[in-house]
Amino acid sequence: EDQVTQSPEALRLQEGESSSLNCSYTVSGLRGLFWYRQDPGKGPEFLFTLYSAGEEKEKERLKATLTKKESFLHITAPKPEDSATYLCAVLLGNAGNMLTFGGGTRLMVKP
Amino acid sequence: DTAVSQTPKYLVTQMGNDKSIKCEQNLGHDTMYWYKQDSKKFLKIMFSYNNKELIINETVPNRFSPKSPDKAHLNLHINSLELGDSAVYFCASSQGASGGPQYFGPGTRLLVL
Repeated sequence: EDQVTQSPEALRLQEGESSSLNCSYTVSGLRGLFWYRQDPGKGPEFLFTLYSAGEEKEKERLKATLTKKESFLHITAPKPEDSATYLCAVLLGNAGNMLTFGGGTRLMVKP
Repeated sequence: DTAVSQTPKYLVTQMGNDKSIKCEQNLGHDTMYWYKQDSKKFLKIMFSYNNKELIINETVPNRFSPKSPDKAHLNLHINSLELGDSAVYFCASSQGASGGPQYFGPGTRLLVL
């Protein structure tokens, strides 16, 4: 069965303390992996798409990487405004265009 | 300009009622989706729809049905609402089946009493 697992479920960081969020997947026929940010009471906001192992994408303090089994979202010197839930999702080859999401990592950055 | 919008934002209703949630996108996309986010914040696909094909997640009860009057709109109809239908429902859209990103609306919070 296709599975997407994110860890940790929650992460508390001090402002400026860099860390990484993990998204591991056991799926067949991966077409793409997506990272989203979700703030409380809002819809997921698109961050990155990664299509092949070795690919990296960057945006401000965030950097996403992809291997054959997992993806990492690295957060460098986070600020309180980076606090949110980060979701990863996979697009499978046999599922039309439907995303399968992980459970998310709730990030809290304290000043 | 709002890219993907949903109405209503909140919906409180009684068990057994029928309700609809509306979704509109102004991104020019040709594929739209409905997702359900439960109390544990887990986001699950319900439907994928474009003008050629409707793909239904097999776990979705047939009380739920998407209806699309045109490419920019995908409404969600729910018949005979049950307590377990209480959740946040998100609409999303993307361009075709190219594997590009999906853009989400703000969500509709449904509470069934």
